[in-house]
This record gives sequence, structure tokens and C-alpha cells, in this order.
Amino acid sequence: QLQLQESGPGLVKPSETLSLTCTVSGGSVSDSYYWGWIRQPPGKGLEWIGSLYFTGSTYYTPSLRSRVSISVDTSKNQFSLKLRSVTAADTAVYFCARHVGVGAHQPFDIWGQGTMVTVAS
Amino acid sequence: QSVLTQPPSASGTPGQRVTISCSGSTSNVGNNYVYWYQQLPGTAPKLLIYRNDQRPSGVPDRVSGSKSGTSASLAISGLRSDDEGDYYCAAWDDSLSDVFFGGGTKVTVL
Repeated sequence: QLQLQESGPGLVKPSETLSLTCTVSGGSVSDSYYWGWIRQPPGKGLEWIGSLYFTGSTYYTPSLRSRVSISVDTSKNQFSLKLRSVTAADTAVYFCARHVGVGAHQPFDIWGQGTMVTVAS
Repeated sequence: QSVLTQPPSASGTPGQRVTISCSGSTSNVGNNYVYWYQQLPGTAPKLLIYRNDQRPSGVPDRVSGSKSGTSASLAISGLRSDDEGDYYCAAWDDSLSDVFFGGGTKVTVL
């Protein structure tokens, strides 16, 4: 069955760029689904970051739009997150997930296990 | 403060029914489907309810969702110890083109 796995550095310095990759297995990132990133600061709730379709169509949460970009690499069956100019407030568990269908308004039905990213010097 | 408002906690004894509310506005809950996620300790969220009241395959029928106007509810009947965890509502917001999650409700089985 479809599985998602996040990967990337667990520690990022303030003002630098956080980069994470989500590898899709058991399916294709080019299938008719949107793919997204969600984060969860320690002890807090969930926050949607953004989502994309394999064609490159993207949606971002307005509060992060100036710092975030999500891209897809169909040859590697992966999609990626970049968050620029990070601060301690960006410390969180980052999840990648699949939307049920086409559109960022659809719910997430499959999630990766999440990866903890700490922003500290 | 979250755009979608949930009570921070809810509790019940085994076998009881617990209900969690989710209050939003016209642009999100009012005009769009509401989804509910369960997050057990140390795990990724799991989709419990989609399109206000639909259960994905594998979710037991003791879990139900409903929506009326700008509010939605999740009910869990026959409460079990393994229901302990955090529950989040979510909805798309037309005005902001954003996905909002509620602040989460921690369910405790006494």
C-alpha cells in the first residue's frame, strides 16, 4: 500500500533554509492526488503549510507564503518542502501527507510518520 | 487562537459517549466539508471522518460526525481506553484559500 517517508536534517540554524523531502512508495506522485505538508510544534496543534499537484500547481497557507516553496520530482517519486529564514518558531514535527483527491480542500488520508526539525544555533 | 474552535479537553468513562464540538464561520465550516482526525500519542494523525459525516473504511460505526450551519461535532460512543488521544477538526476556508485545523481536543478515558 502507499507509504510516505519524510527525510532531511533534524537541526537547522536560525536564518537558514529548512529542506525536507517526502518519498512516495507503493504509488506514484504523478497519480491524481494533491500532496501536502503539515507541521506540529511541540505540544501544539496541527498547521497546514501547503500542497501541490504533480503538474506544479501549488497552494500555500498565507502566513508562510513569503517563505515557503513546495516542489515535485516525478523521476524520484518525491516532493519537497523548503522554508526560508527559519526561526525557533519553526521548530516542529513536519508531516507529509496525501490528499484524498485533487485539490487542497480535500482531507489527508495517508500520512508519513513525521520528522522532528529543531531550529537552533 | 485557532480559526476553528474546539474545547481543549473531553472525558468519559469506558462505554460512555463523548462529543467534541468544532465552531467556525461561514467561509470555512459553513460552506465546506468538515474533517476529523485522531492523533494517538506519538503517532501521525488518522482521518476519522470526511465530508462531515462519512467514515473511511476501517473506522468503526461508534464514531460519527455531524454538521449544522457553522458548527460541527464528533461523537464517540462506547468509549474505550484506546480512544485516548487528540482529536482535530479541519476545513477549507474559501476566503483565505487556507486549510484550517481546530486547536485539538484531548480525550481522556477515566
